[in-house]
Amino acid sequence: TQLLEQSPQFLSIQEGENLTVYCNSSSVFSSLQWYRQEPGEGPVLLVTVVTGGEVKKLKRLTFQFGDARKDSSLHITAAQPGDTGLYLCAGEKAAGNKLTFGGGTRVLVKP
Amino acid sequence: NAGVTQTPKFRILKIGQSMTLQCTQDMNHNYMYWYRQDPGMGLKLIYYSVGAGITDKGEVPNGYNVSRSTTEDFPLRLELAAPSQTSVYFCASSYSYPRDYEQYFGPGTRLTVT
Repeated sequence: TQLLEQSPQFLSIQEGENLTVYCNSSSVFSSLQWYRQEPGEGPVLLVTVVTGGEVKKLKRLTFQFGDARKDSSLHITAAQPGDTGLYLCAGEKAAGNKLTFGGGTRVLVKP
Repeated sequence: NAGVTQTPKFRILKIGQSMTLQCTQDMNHNYMYWYRQDPGMGLKLIYYSVGAGITDKGEVPNGYNVSRSTTEDFPLRLELAAPSQTSVYFCASSYSYPRDYEQYFGPGTRLTVT
């Protein structure tokens, strides 16, 4: 079983629609990161959240860290085909040296 | 800066063969990591290093070995390859703790063991 569970595993939407991806755990994390990965490439960091309840915005992407620091969400407004990719959450436990990744959500935005 | 470079890009191994996946970074990062990613899945940490001469196991270290003799290089050794090691391998580096410093990933090595 994954320490970080992402849902849904796959999401297919039309351009212009909104979507939300969830990252849940029963463990507390000192920080949580979201990455996007395109086919044939390594993941690229989108954002790091460190405070419970924190909300960060990156253009049309909104990231939220749960109050108890056990979960997070990524919301995309008015999705575009360029948002297509694998979205990965990754948590760091107790200010350690390493990350634990979730299983990923594959997003397909059709024009 | 080239960032994180990995060689080779692709490799096919026969069961029982050995190989070394190379990883080099030119950003003077202290922390380096090896992950594997199975099809459609997230990343699993194999080994990591917080500085030259220091390595530690991650979630899935069995069947792999690492060394860190320099800041720049962090090779991953596969001994006695098995089909279960078929995967895409990513090397990453960061200056320090993940919460404070971004991890930069290499382009990956796609390994097939048959």
